[in-house]
Amino acid sequence: AQKITQTQPGMFVQEKEAVTLDCTYDTSDQSYGLFWYKQPSSGEMIFLIYQGSYDEQNATEGRYSLNFQKARKSANLVISASQLGDSAMYFCAILSGTYKYIFGTGTRLKVLA
Amino acid sequence: DVKVTQSSRYLVKRTGEKVFLECVQDMDHENMFWYRQDPGLGLRLIYFSYDVKMKEKGDIPEGYSVSREKKERFSLILESASTNQTSMYLCASSFPGLRNSPLHFGNGTRLTVT
Repeated sequence: AQKITQTQPGMFVQEKEAVTLDCTYDTSDQSYGLFWYKQPSSGEMIFLIYQGSYDEQNATEGRYSLNFQKARKSANLVISASQLGDSAMYFCAILSGTYKYIFGTGTRLKVLA
Repeated sequence: DVKVTQSSRYLVKRTGEKVFLECVQDMDHENMFWYRQDPGLGLRLIYFSYDVKMKEKGDIPEGYSVSREKKERFSLILESASTNQTSMYLCASSFPGLRNSPLHFGNGTRLTVT
């Protein structure tokens, strides 16, 4: 069975610094996709970045990048130059199969001014 | 932009009431989902639908049912609400069959059952 583990319930980062949010996964499938979502206090889930299991390069989207280490089954999200608006819950998810998205328990990030 | 709209942001219902949570998407997505979000538990799949009138149970379907009469609309039904169903409910949609297809979420419905 697929599983996502986010071991950091909460993180603090100083404004303008970089922060890494950890995500490890477990799957027996060879083909899968990894996703990161942001959930501000308003509640909506915002898709941030995607990494495919066969992608050779780490995904990047603006200030977001994914440190993908396939052998270690980790897909850590790196946020560069943190902003106050980055304060939110962050969820890692895996899609394995046709529709089964499995989510982690999330990491609450607080950016300090 | 994909828009997924949930009919209510906040709902307060009494124990035993029948509750309908409505979700509409405007991007012609085949797949629609209902998740429940609780602190420390992440998002858990309640039901999934891959076509009109087609549904599959997720990880926690007990106490819930769903209806998908039209492609754009997916309803979650609590037949007899209980206090342990107090939670945040998230509807989502996606294209089928694409490994890189993200879920697109609505704004969520925070349901309180008293």
